[in-house]
Amino acid sequence: GENVEQHPSTLSVQEGDSAVIKCTYSDSASNYFPWYKQELGKRPQLIIDIRSNVGEKKDQRIAVTLNKTAKHFSLHITETQPEDSAVYFCAASTGTASKLTFGTGTRLQVTL
Amino acid sequence: DAGVIQSPRHEVTEMGQEVTLRCKPISGHDYLFWYRQTMMRGLELLIYFNNNVPIDDSGMPEDRFSAKMPNASFSTLKIQPSEPRDSAVYFCASSLSSNGANVLTFGAGSRLTVL
Repeated sequence: GENVEQHPSTLSVQEGDSAVIKCTYSDSASNYFPWYKQELGKRPQLIIDIRSNVGEKKDQRIAVTLNKTAKHFSLHITETQPEDSAVYFCAASTGTASKLTFGTGTRLQVTL
Repeated sequence: DAGVIQSPRHEVTEMGQEVTLRCKPISGHDYLFWYRQTMMRGLELLIYFNNNVPIDDSGMPEDRFSAKMPNASFSTLKIQPSEPRDSAVYFCASSLSSNGANVLTFGAGSRLTVL
């Protein structure tokens, strides 16, 4: 089955700096790669996703890049703010009717 | 829509007791997923349903766990008998196939503590 690895497990940045979280996946058939944000004690919420027919997608301060050849994808957050502090999960799946396999999460701390 | 509704939000029980977690998906969604979250293992998919039919239960840890979806608006996850290692947050999520069945909306979760 699919295996998703995520790094780093924790990341601390100063407010205003950029943060990058990286994931690799094992199944070359995977074609959907979402990112979820989970604030402390809350539910995971989808923040951005990318499908394998594009290499990059951007939404305001967040962007995701995908390299299908290398089987890795990354989340980029620019101009970080304290409210960006949370655990971020990457995931991968094959097809629209398939289960998501999640990475182990990255705890991002944005310090003042 | 009120989103995915889970109950109870918190459950504390003693080892050996039966636990039933409940989920109401978003109206019209045709996929329903049960995930378990722990510090050690992260988010694990336990089982998912499509149109009330179980599609993949390979993540269900053992026979003590069972899940049902008797209709499109209700699902249960049952643990009998419960053990301390079942302590976790259990999330239910739903999705709509026409939006991409793997675009999930999660419920608020049920935090289970087994003493």
